[in-house]
Amino acid sequence: GAVVSQHPSWVICKSGTSVKIECRSLDFQATTMFWYRQFPKQSLMLMATSNEGSKATYEQGVEKDKFLINHASLTLSTLTVTSAHPEDSSFYICSAGPYTGGGNTIYFGEGSWLTVV
Amino acid sequence: QKEVEQDPGPLSVPEGAIVSLNCTYSNSAFQYFMWYRQYSRKGPELLMYTYSSGNKEDGRFTAQVDKSSKYISLFIRDSQPSDSATYLCAMSAGSARQLTFGSGTQLTVLP
Repeated sequence: GAVVSQHPSWVICKSGTSVKIECRSLDFQATTMFWYRQFPKQSLMLMATSNEGSKATYEQGVEKDKFLINHASLTLSTLTVTSAHPEDSSFYICSAGPYTGGGNTIYFGEGSWLTVV
Repeated sequence: QKEVEQDPGPLSVPEGAIVSLNCTYSNSAFQYFMWYRQYSRKGPELLMYTYSSGNKEDGRFTAQVDKSSKYISLFIRDSQPSDSATYLCAMSAGSARQLTFGSGTQLTVLP
């Protein structure tokens, strides 16, 4: 099946620094990718929709300047957490799916654990 | 009321039992229905994908969709300890790839 790869799996950074997380579709092109955040024992919370070649669409309450999303190619979207703060520590997951003329199968990356110290 | 309701559990069953996981939803526009399995500290893994109403079987897993009742189910036969995970139902409308998730059901299969 289609594969979505995320990198890094784990990252620890100091407060005030920025961290970039990459999401790649390995065997299909994705004009749209999604970024989620997940807190312990909770479901996934959609943060933003990443659109290839245009601006991302952010969900209500998600700071655009804090969570920068770039979707420069059909196989890569990046999420940059800027001026990281300990409250940004979380599990970040991306998803994407191949367009099959009506199909809607979505695959998730392995997730990235961010710890801000 | 949430668009998708899912019993969070936790649910514990003995090895070999049949497990039934369910979600209800309120948005009649949903057409695509998925079940994901998520192990602790990992991304969700797609288990089953169903379009519209009907049944779909894959090995020990069977997904059922009843659009008239706005109810979907996932059955796991001959459950194994390795099935212990959180199961998330997800659905979407039209060709959009944005998913609406249930809250997830935590399942433990006891050896």
